[in-house]
Amino acid sequence: QKEVEQNSGPLSVPEGAIASLNCTYSDRGSQSFFWYRQYSGKSPELIMFIYSNGDKEDGRFTAQLNKASQYVSLLIRDSQPSDSATYLCAVNPGNQFYFGTGTSLTVIP
Amino acid sequence: AAGVIQSPRHLIKEKRETATLKCYPIPRHDTVYWYQQGPGQDPQFLISFYEKMQSDKGSIPDRFSAQQFSDYHSELNMSSLELGDSALYFCASSWDYNNEQFFGPGTRLTVL
Repeated sequence: QKEVEQNSGPLSVPEGAIASLNCTYSDRGSQSFFWYRQYSGKSPELIMFIYSNGDKEDGRFTAQLNKASQYVSLLIRDSQPSDSATYLCAVNPGNQFYFGTGTSLTVIP
Repeated sequence: AAGVIQSPRHLIKEKRETATLKCYPIPRHDTVYWYQQGPGQDPQFLISFYEKMQSDKGSIPDRFSAQQFSDYHSELNMSSLELGDSALYFCASSWDYNNEQFFGPGTRLTVL
């Protein structure tokens, strides 16, 4: 079992809709959680990080963390075509970062 | 704002050759991480350094070595290159360990 699991997608949503990206992790001791966006051939770009249970909002992005369920999600409101990318979930159980395989998101104009 | 700098951006080598990739972290960042990302794959952690000491080791082949220098820049040395080493190599830096990592633009290595 991988440390971090994501649905690979592809996930398609119409422009203006809410995109929901999900991630589960295996190490209960994980303390920090990150969402990165990666365009093809480019480097991952940090979007959000969350350390505490609950929701964290930043503009159109909301990260949700549920440590009991070992689940972290990213909601993108008012999705734009420029949001089309691969979204990587990363988890740090305290020794190194583990990345999921990413979810490919396509926002259809 | 200053970002992570990697050089070279592209590198073409032949099998069994050696390659050196360089990474210059964001100023005041003391931790450097190296990742390898193959096509359609997630970034695979290779190795990290905190305050110029190796802190963690991931799936780095024995043919590879790395170090962090006194100015905090890091170099990844790759020897006896194989076709399967062709990938994007990312360096990331953070302030203190466990904090969010910021990625450089990557070095695309092609082994022929």
